[in-house]
Amino acid sequence: SQKIEQNSEALNIQEGKTATLTCNYTNYSPAYLQWYRQDPGRGPVFLLLIRENEKEKRKERLKVTFDTTLKQSLFHITASQPADSATYLCALVRNDMRFGAGTRLTVKP
Amino acid sequence: EAQVTQNPRYLITVTGKKLTVTCSQNMNHEYMSWYRQDPGLGLRQIYYSMNVEVTDKGDVPEGYKVSRKEKRNFPLILESPSPNQTSLYFCASSLWRGNEKLFFGSGTQLSVL
Repeated sequence: SQKIEQNSEALNIQEGKTATLTCNYTNYSPAYLQWYRQDPGRGPVFLLLIRENEKEKRKERLKVTFDTTLKQSLFHITASQPADSATYLCALVRNDMRFGAGTRLTVKP
Repeated sequence: EAQVTQNPRYLITVTGKKLTVTCSQNMNHEYMSWYRQDPGLGLRQIYYSMNVEVTDKGDVPEGYKVSRKEKRNFPLILESPSPNQTSLYFCASSLWRGNEKLFFGSGTQLSVL
């Protein structure tokens, strides 16, 4: 069956460091992959999309990579700030859209 | 302001009492969808609609109904709620299915006693 795993449930890092979140999948061939940010008590907000023929995408301090051989996407936040603390969800899209359970990131001052 | 509006924000009800959660979007989106979010399980799709009068089941449709009589509205109906439907519910829309991003509402926290 299809499975999407996002590294750990929670990730704690120090302000200024790079946060790296992982999204692994099995039994699925996404055409593209999206990353969303979710704050407590709010709906997810779209951040970035990367297509299967793209290796890397950047937006300001965010970088996403997509390796279809490893079946993995990495989501990086450089120069992290406490305001980046949130839960980050990956979503895989082919004929439908499937979400991972999310990783809760805490950036400590 | 472009948005997806869900109501109510919080709802406590009892088993078997019919309820409706409303969802409205002002972006003229073709596609709308309902998800439930439970700890450790992520977002799971309940129902979706590709356009007016077109709806289809997602992964967890049992116990839910939807309708799409107008493009902007997509209500979620629980005819006989049960405690296992206690969850956080999100409505979402996009320009068309497979479009680049979903716009989510703020969520409805439902508790069924």
